[in-house]
Amino acid sequence: QKEVEQDPGPLSVPEGAIVSLNCTYSNSAFQYFMWYRQYSRKGPELLMYTYSSGNKEDGRFTAQVDKSSKYISLFIRDSQPSDSATYLCAIIYSSASKIIFGSGTRLSIRP
Amino acid sequence: NAGVTQTPKFQVLKTGQSMTLQCAQDMNHEYMSWYRQDPGMGLRLIHYSVGAGITDQGEVPNGYNVSRSTTEDFPLRLLSAAPSQTSVYFCASRGTSDTQYFGPGTRLTVL
Repeated sequence: QKEVEQDPGPLSVPEGAIVSLNCTYSNSAFQYFMWYRQYSRKGPELLMYTYSSGNKEDGRFTAQVDKSSKYISLFIRDSQPSDSATYLCAIIYSSASKIIFGSGTRLSIRP
Repeated sequence: NAGVTQTPKFQVLKTGQSMTLQCAQDMNHEYMSWYRQDPGMGLRLIHYSVGAGITDQGEVPNGYNVSRSTTEDFPLRLLSAAPSQTSVYFCASRGTSDTQYFGPGTRLTVL
């Protein structure tokens, strides 16, 4: 079993829709949870970062962590064509440890 | 700050050739790592380093060597290139904030 599972998509939604991206993880020792966005032919860039259960908002983006279910989500409100990218979840045990990435979900927002 | 830089951006090799992918960061980060990204496989960790003079293997280290003689540089060496090493390679660095910054990537094709 992979440590982090992520549906690869592709996911296609119309502009303005709410997007939900999800990952599950297997080890309850993971402490830090991140979402990266990767545009085509570019390196991943950090989008959201959290270490606690609950919600964290940043503009149109909300990261949600449910440690009891080992489930993390990224919600995008009022989605825009510029949000079209691959989104990767990532988790780590601690500051000194390796980052484990999900396989990424390819998202396309239709104008 | 230039962030994380990688050279070259593109490279074509013949089977059996060797080469070095260069990576440098100017953020004084202790933690650096190399990933390869293949379709459907997400980011897989090749090697990482927690500081100058210290390196360790990641998930897929075979066929690759690294060294870390300075904090700034973390080159990745392919000893004898194989078609299975055709991939996009990303270098990343991380400071104490847990935020990992990625370079723009090197697209490698091995014929």
